[in-house]
Amino acid sequence: DTEVTQTPKHLVMGMTNKKSLKCEQHMGHRAMYWYKQKAKKPPELMFVYSYEKLSINESVPSRFSPECPNSSLLNLHLHALQPEDSALYLCASSREGGPSSYNEQFFGPGTRLTVL
Amino acid sequence: KQEVTQIPAALSVPEGENLVLNCSFTDSAIYNLQWFRQDPGKGLTSLLLIQSSQREQTSGRLNASLDKSSGRSTLYIAASQPGDSATYLCAALGAGSYQLTFGKGTKLSVIP
Repeated sequence: DTEVTQTPKHLVMGMTNKKSLKCEQHMGHRAMYWYKQKAKKPPELMFVYSYEKLSINESVPSRFSPECPNSSLLNLHLHALQPEDSALYLCASSREGGPSSYNEQFFGPGTRLTVL
Repeated sequence: KQEVTQIPAALSVPEGENLVLNCSFTDSAIYNLQWFRQDPGKGLTSLLLIQSSQREQTSGRLNASLDKSSGRSTLYIAASQPGDSATYLCAALGAGSYQLTFGKGTKLSVIP
């Protein structure tokens, strides 16, 4: 089973709203990731949770905040977003938590976010 | 800084043709290289992972090769089918990094 699930599939929100994206995996993977993908562009890494430690892409604005309640769940909390934050948000997980030749990342179906 | 390039950006072939997608990377110090498929508006499906010590991997009609010394990887698709139509992305995992560096992808169209 190589399934990563994400909810919701679609989300429309105003700039003053607070919302959360959810990601779940039951493969016993030790690392989970959030990526942002704009149209016709490759995914860009936002956050990594590996062995209970958070790593952040320093270019990600503070209106995005990740939360890892347990090893199977990774949430992305959204607050005061801008229209340019509209994108496909992808979650991924990998068995190996660190830089490793065995680090194969498996992606979820994504959440299509539209900020009005 | 690692840079990954995929050529061509788009490719259209008739059904049944064999084809090769190209991926090049500037820094050969990688842990692995992964090939993904992405359908429009969907997530990424992992196709093949080649570890840095490997030269190739095969899965069904797909064969991926890796030449670290020249900074190149290829994805070979045999007997293409309309269902293979998608964007194919390669991504390199750099040494000492959690971060996959992606190419911009090759959009493949297989014409019935």
